[in-house]
Amino acid sequence: ETGVTQTPRHLVMGMTNKKSLKCEQHLGHNAMYWYKQSAKKPLELMFVYNFKEQTENNSVPSRFSPECPNSSHLFLHLHTLQPEDSALYLCASSQDRRDVSGNTIYFGEGSWLTVV
Amino acid sequence: GESVGLHLPTLSVQEGDNSIINCAYSNSASDYFIWYKQESGKGPQFIIDIRSNMDKRQGQRVTVLLNKTVKHLSLQIAATQPGDSAVYFCAEWSGGYNKLIFGAGTRLAVHP
Repeated sequence: ETGVTQTPRHLVMGMTNKKSLKCEQHLGHNAMYWYKQSAKKPLELMFVYNFKEQTENNSVPSRFSPECPNSSHLFLHLHTLQPEDSALYLCASSQDRRDVSGNTIYFGEGSWLTVV
Repeated sequence: GESVGLHLPTLSVQEGDNSIINCAYSNSASDYFIWYKQESGKGPQFIIDIRSNMDKRQGQRVTVLLNKTVKHLSLQIAATQPGDSAVYFCAEWSGGYNKLIFGAGTRLAVHP
């Protein structure tokens, strides 16, 4: 139990589907993140939210749309994805992005996404 | 279990031996470092951290060493066990970029 829960753990979707990944953290943190981990690249930061405000979008295609309704919940909405988007999507949280000592990032178990 | 499948450098050790995993970081201004462990089919798990004003920190069976002169970080695991088999990532907090930068990882394989 990491304190960061992701659902679903596995998702298979067609290129025309719309789906969402959900993340919830129970750590009382204020910053939440989406990372992508694929066979071809190491951990890639996608989006950062700090106190519900998006503070970083790492040139992510618009077919990925994040949503952060509050500091405990984070969504990643998926629409018209490509097969190369198949990867492990990791949600993470940290206390506060602005403080060095609070920048330990705690990860969820990830959502395995396969686009067919 | 599932794994990401990157072609990572692999360290093979015998059960009971000590393991040393190395990491070179990129930014001399980085002031906070973390080691993560990722088991097959799971997300990265925090192991131990160290600030740049320290050169050594010990945890339970793990020690992190920081050499700022050569920008080198290492993770030492004492009495390595089969459950230590995983991919290990170092990460540096780069204040200039305001983000945690991850290394590519090292796969640790523990043999009985």
